Amino acid sequence: EVQLVESGGDLVQPGRSLRLSCTASGFMFRDYAMSWFRQAPGKGLEWVGFIGSKAYGGTTEYAASVKGRFTISRDDSKTIVYLQMSGLKTEDTAVYYCAREGPDYWGQGTLVTVSS
Amino acid sequence: QAVVTQEPSLTVSPGGTVTLTCGSSAGAVTSGHHPYWFQQKPGQAPRTLISDTSDKHSWTPARFSGSFLGGKAALTLSGAQPEDEAEYYCLLSYSGARPVFGGGTKLTVL
Repeated sequence: EVQLVESGGDLVQPGRSLRLSCTASGFMFRDYAMSWFRQAPGKGLEWVGFIGSKAYGGTTEYAASVKGRFTISRDDSKTIVYLQMSGLKTEDTAVYYCAREGPDYWGQGTLVTVSS
Repeated sequence: QAVVTQEPSLTVSPGGTVTLTCGSSAGAVTSGHHPYWFQQKPGQAPRTLISDTSDKHSWTPARFSGSFLGGKAALTLSGAQPEDEAEYYCLLSYSGARPVFGGGTKLTVL
């Protein structure tokens, strides 16, 4: 059974950093691209970025709203994909979801609140 | 960046049929946009219903189907059930691998 479990969400002050993790199980993690999405309170879904599999060079792409501030990485040995967020802004407040290539499978999400 | 448009809200009677659409400000939606459809109920994570225009997953109820309609991607629900009441989002991929979501359609089964 495919499972994706996000963790690391927290209340942080503007300008600070936070790292989210998404632990995957139930499939050959290294063979799949992984994506991050987010949803601000009461708003729609937004794509944040993705990381390709190592077979495709582990390429990363980011939404314009986070490029230069967020970094996605992966550890295939631990089957974890990370979202490193820096220079956080109040508008980054959202539930953050990871999803497997497609996306087909989604995690349950983790809440990041950016507030002073 | 292109804008992806969806009906803000739709209502369908139980057992009825409804079609949700997904348009693009950049022109007609084609298979090259790889349309996806997601269902999201309050307090839950999104669930992928349809991939690549019309591919269903093992968990996708047979009453949902994906297609194109009038230059847009379409999600048709035939035989609506009370549990289908949810927010539905479409996702289109554009060149440069930056996908864009529609604003969502709130579907009421009433």
